[in-house]
Amino acid sequence: AQSVTQLGSHVSVSEGALVLLRCNYSSSVPPYLFWYVQYPNQGLQLLLKYTSAATLVKGINGFEAEFKKSETSFHLTKPSAHMSDAAEYFCAVSADYGGATNKLIFGTGTLLAVQP
Amino acid sequence: ETGVTQSPTHLIKTRGQQVTLRCSSQSGHNTVSWYQQALGQGPQFIFQYYREEENGRGNFPPRFSGLQFPNYSSELNVNALELDDSALYLCASSHRLAAKETQYFGPGTRLLVL
Repeated sequence: AQSVTQLGSHVSVSEGALVLLRCNYSSSVPPYLFWYVQYPNQGLQLLLKYTSAATLVKGINGFEAEFKKSETSFHLTKPSAHMSDAAEYFCAVSADYGGATNKLIFGTGTLLAVQP
Repeated sequence: ETGVTQSPTHLIKTRGQQVTLRCSSQSGHNTVSWYQQALGQGPQFIFQYYREEENGRGNFPPRFSGLQFPNYSSELNVNALELDDSALYLCASSHRLAAKETQYFGPGTRLLVL
């Protein structure tokens, strides 16, 4: 079975400050990990994904995430927050369990607020 | 290339009614998944369709059913609506059926059950 835990349902940072959103996963087989962003009243947009190539993954809008197997983590970071980064962020996991599927298991989300 | 589209954008129903939500997958995508996102929660997997067959189902009762058509568009049907069915329903398509494949999401249909 797989699961995702996002620590901190609400995170507030100042404009220009470091953004760190935490994600820990549980998976009995090698996972594939995704970060999605959701702006108000919109669907989900992919920020980045880890598929067992490089452990440091760079995504859109200056975001990146590092896969750490020893810590079962895939935290999302951005060096300098911008007002437009205010949104809800979801971490998700999928894996190959022998049958063909690409079901995503999502965390409960982290709402990022950016203060001027 | 058009993205994933969903209709309608908003819907209000009463308990006991039936509803059909529609999704057009992104061009070239043969896999469609449906997710339910309750207020303040992450999306929950309902089911997935691949080449017109259901390919995996989450923890949802049988009154949630679906279809996929030859052009890979899809419908989600919910019978006997309950108040707890109020949520944002998201459709996602992917180019192929593989766990590492990116799923592209539509804007969702917001369903309110009164």
